[in-house]
Amino acid sequence: DVKVTQSSRYLVKRTGEKVFLECVQDMDHENMFWYRQDPGLGLRLIYFSYDVKMKEKGDIPEGYSVSREKKERFSLILESASTNQTSMYLCASSLIRADSTDTQYFGPGTRLTVL
Amino acid sequence: RKEVEQDPGPFNVPEGATVAFNCTYSNSASQSFFWYRQDCRKEPKLLMSVYSSGNEDGRFTAQLNRASQYISLLIRDSKLSDSATYLCVVNEGSGYSTLTFGKGTMLLVSP
Repeated sequence: DVKVTQSSRYLVKRTGEKVFLECVQDMDHENMFWYRQDPGLGLRLIYFSYDVKMKEKGDIPEGYSVSREKKERFSLILESASTNQTSMYLCASSLIRADSTDTQYFGPGTRLTVL
Repeated sequence: RKEVEQDPGPFNVPEGATVAFNCTYSNSASQSFFWYRQDCRKEPKLLMSVYSSGNEDGRFTAQLNRASQYISLLIRDSKLSDSATYLCVVNEGSGYSTLTFGKGTMLLVSP
């Protein structure tokens, strides 16, 4: 079974703090993704990475950065947390398949509250 | 903007009912299609892929109409455990394996 783990289930931070969310997958997947999920807005892609040290912006990258130093680990960084970044953050990973049938496997999520 | 639109829900049905979810996608170049299930306060999990010929997995049947850019999910003989949010998901075929998620339709199955 694919396993994607996230460093925290719940996190409370103050405005202006630097926040690190970590994600680890154990299936040697090339692709890793960070999403946020908000009521009424669904899942929105923040950043993704298709290889070590590679990153691509998703739909809502503003206010976030990422780091992928090892294949199994993908970190999301909030340089200066703001209240509008209060959300559920979900990490996912997938293989690369030429026929685009790859599916994404999600971690349990981190519910971040910024006060 | 590439979009995936779903019935807003929630759908409230009694046990044993048949329920259908619909989804439309805007990008005609989309290459692959999925239904994910998300339980309350849990992560999304793949329910089934959707193939052009239609496919069935037990009580679940998925259909794809590429001409109409329309995807459906049929659940027969609903169980209480089917209560969840069902997400319609499309791979746009960008080469990066990114997925576009619908906002989901909530299903509530009652005794």
